[in-house]
Amino acid sequence: DVKVTQSSRYLVKRTGEKVFLECVQDMDHENMFWYRQDPGLGLRLIYFSYDVKMKEKGDIPEGYSVSREKKERFSLILESASTNQTSMYLCASHRGYQPQHFGDGTRLSIL
Amino acid sequence: AQKITQTQPGMFVQEKEAVTLDCTYDTSDQSYGLFWYKQPSSGEMIFLIYQGSYDEQNATEGRYSLNFQKARKSANLVISASQLGDSAMYFCAMRASTGANSKLTFGKGITLSVRP
Repeated sequence: DVKVTQSSRYLVKRTGEKVFLECVQDMDHENMFWYRQDPGLGLRLIYFSYDVKMKEKGDIPEGYSVSREKKERFSLILESASTNQTSMYLCASHRGYQPQHFGDGTRLSIL
Repeated sequence: AQKITQTQPGMFVQEKEAVTLDCTYDTSDQSYGLFWYKQPSSGEMIFLIYQGSYDEQNATEGRYSLNFQKARKSANLVISASQLGDSAMYFCAMRASTGANSKLTFGKGITLSVRP
């Protein structure tokens, strides 16, 4: 089975902090994604990557950056966290036309 | 641009009955894929079923089937013999099959509650 692991299920940070959300997959998938999920808005794509060191902006990249130094790891970075970035963050990966497989999500609160 | 519409409010179904969750989509692409995911209250997204735009038969996976009506641009999920564990949020999503562009566009989701 595909395993997508997000480093934290719950995270509390303060405004202005630099926040790192880590995602690791164990199936050699070339494509990886970061979404945020908010009530009534569904999932919105922040960034995605289809290869090591490659990244593409999604629909809502403002306030975020990403890093993909190794194929199995895709990191989401909040450079200076703000309260409007309090949300559920979901990482996903897949290969080719296979379905995306998701991690368990990180519920991030910015105080 | 692609768009997924899920407009049903919270849905309720009696245990062991069937339920249909609606999804309509809009795309100008000829080749695309449609997905349904389940999200229990614990938060993980679970892949349920996939339908390709050129698939002639409706997809089925156990108790899940996808009622695909291409001309109407609808891809409704049918859950047969509902179980209490089916209570969750359900998301419809679409992906254009255009090579490296493998992004999914999600609907806003539908909450399903199964009553004992």
